[in-house]
Amino acid sequence: GESVGLHLPTLSVQEGDNSIINCAYSNSASDYFIWYKQESGKGPQFIIDIRSNMDKRQGQRVTVLLNKTVKHLSLQIAATQPGDSAVYFCAERSRGGGADGLTFGKGTHLIIQP
Amino acid sequence: DSGVTQTPKHLITATGQRVTLRCSPRSGDLSVYWYQQSLDQGLQFLIQYYNGEERAKGNILERFSAQQFPDLHSELNLSSLELGDSALYFCASSQGDNYEQYFGPGTRLTVT
Repeated sequence: GESVGLHLPTLSVQEGDNSIINCAYSNSASDYFIWYKQESGKGPQFIIDIRSNMDKRQGQRVTVLLNKTVKHLSLQIAATQPGDSAVYFCAERSRGGGADGLTFGKGTHLIIQP
Repeated sequence: DSGVTQTPKHLITATGQRVTLRCSPRSGDLSVYWYQQSLDQGLQFLIQYYNGEERAKGNILERFSAQQFPDLHSELNLSSLELGDSALYFCASSQGDNYEQYFGPGTRLTVT
């Protein structure tokens, strides 16, 4: 089954508001997590990553929070803009499998309301 | 633009046929990954190559194979195609130990 999942398939927010996209994972051996953004017709685009020895990491307008206790990952987007409309995927990598391939969640569609 | 290129962009073929998808990684990246994205399965890791050698396999069917050449470009071969193989196929690359993977624009395969 899927070891990485998203709580909501669609998230609608007003332009200018903050967006929070959540993700649950089940593999406690995962040591690396990434958020990707995928716009229609394009490949996934790296947004931000976090390693398991951290609980927070900030980028430009984005923050990723990792709660290993409850195996939860979130992506916060500040001051959401129309260009943020996309599907957002969380992904995890478990070193134990010997592979660097990522396990992706199903994705959340972020819709920006004007 | 991620720096990863994939050809062709679109491919339409019939069941039972064989196709080859091509990927050129970012300059300097040694690792290449292949992923399949379908509506029902989402993004699934298929296989990884590092500096010409297979490093790991994910959910790759036996009808599928890949290779990475000395110039580090990679090809994904899909044979005995079935309708269910219709999907987007993405290639990603990374520097190897650097975990960050950069994705190409994908190849859309339609099997009729």
